Parts: sequence; structure tokens; C-alpha cells
Amino acid sequence: GDSVTQMEGPVTLSEEAFLTINCTYTATGYPSLFWYVQYPGEGLQLLLKATKADDKGSNKGFEATYRKETTSFHLEKGSVQVSDSAVYFCALTSNTGFQKLVFGTGTRLLVSP
Amino acid sequence: DGGITQSPKYLFRKEGQNVTLSCEQNLNHDAMYWYRQDPGQGLRLIYYSQIVNDFQKGDIAEGYSVSREKKESFPLTVTSAQKNPTAFYLCASSEQGTNQPQHFGDGTRLSIL
Repeated sequence: GDSVTQMEGPVTLSEEAFLTINCTYTATGYPSLFWYVQYPGEGLQLLLKATKADDKGSNKGFEATYRKETTSFHLEKGSVQVSDSAVYFCALTSNTGFQKLVFGTGTRLLVSP
Repeated sequence: DGGITQSPKYLFRKEGQNVTLSCEQNLNHDAMYWYRQDPGQGLRLIYYSQIVNDFQKGDIAEGYSVSREKKESFPLTVTSAQKNPTAFYLCASSEQGTNQPQHFGDGTRLSIL
């Protein structure tokens, strides 16, 4: 079945450092790909999405490119802030049938001043 | 503002007791979902509903039940048959169709007394 693999955390960075969180997927067909963010004690918020190969999703300085050849959707940000500390989830939905979201296990990001 | 409201934020269950978690949305979304979140395991789908008066089992439906009598509401009952109910429960909704992101509530944390 479909699956998502994320790098394990926590990822610990200093403010203004460059961020990469790796995400790879296994899916039949052509899935849509998402990054969600979860702040402490809250639900998930959609951060960005990409629906076809070579699409780049971007939001709040974060970006990720849908790479079909490497089945990857790595999250990047050029300069992180303390307020970016959260758990980041990579997810996919298939483009056929029911739009079930399949999540990775999440990666915790800790940014220190 | 439109959104998803989950209540209560914290809930305690005694042994042998059924408890019901509330989820209400005013986004006019047709589809609604319930997820369970455990540390280090990402989110797993319990039940989903694509339209009023219809719902389907997800990956871990045993010990849970739902109803969808109104478009806005999708309550989840954790029954006494669920032997390990301690978790963070998240409700989500989305529009029908491909590539539609899911919008999440702030969650209910259920613990056993």
C-alpha cells in the first residue's frame, strides 16, 4: 500500500539556519503531496501542497518540490525562526477513489535563539 | 470564522465506560474524518464519512463507532471494547474531489482513569 517515510527527529537548529526535512513516498499512480505542521497542543495545519510532478508548493518561506523520479517531497526553508518549532508531517493522497491521507510519522523541529 | 470545533479538549474515561468526542464544522464540507495520533506513529484513520448518513471504516475502526446525521457533525464514540484508548484524537473535514486538503480541529486528548 501507499506509504510515507520521513527523517527522524528531533531536528535541532539555531535561528536563521537552513532547514531540510526529508520525505520520500511509495504510491501507485500519481499522488498529491502535502506538508502539514502541528504546534504544541493543537491540530494540524496545511503548510503547502503539490499535485503533480515538478510542482513546487510554497508558504511562509517554506517550499517543497514534487520529484517523481526520486519519489521525494523534501521540505526546505532558508532561514528558520524560533516560532517555526513544531512537528512537521509529510502526507499523500492518491488521485483515484477515496482521498485517504497517508501520513509520515512526523519530524519535530526545535529552533533555538 | 469558519473552522472545525472539537470538544472537550481533555477527556477522562473510566474502565468499561463509553465516551463520545464531539466534532462540528461550519465549512460546509461534505467529507469528515477521525484520526488517532500516538507518539511516534503519525496519524491513523479511524472512520470517515463522505456524505450525510454514510460512513466507512478506516484502518483502525475496532472499538470505535460514529454517526453522521447532520452535515456539520461527526461524533466519535470510544467504546469499552477499545482496550488502549489513550491518545490524541483529531477530526478533519474536506471538500469532495481530488487534491482537496483536509482541515483539522485542535484535537481531544483522551486518558484512562
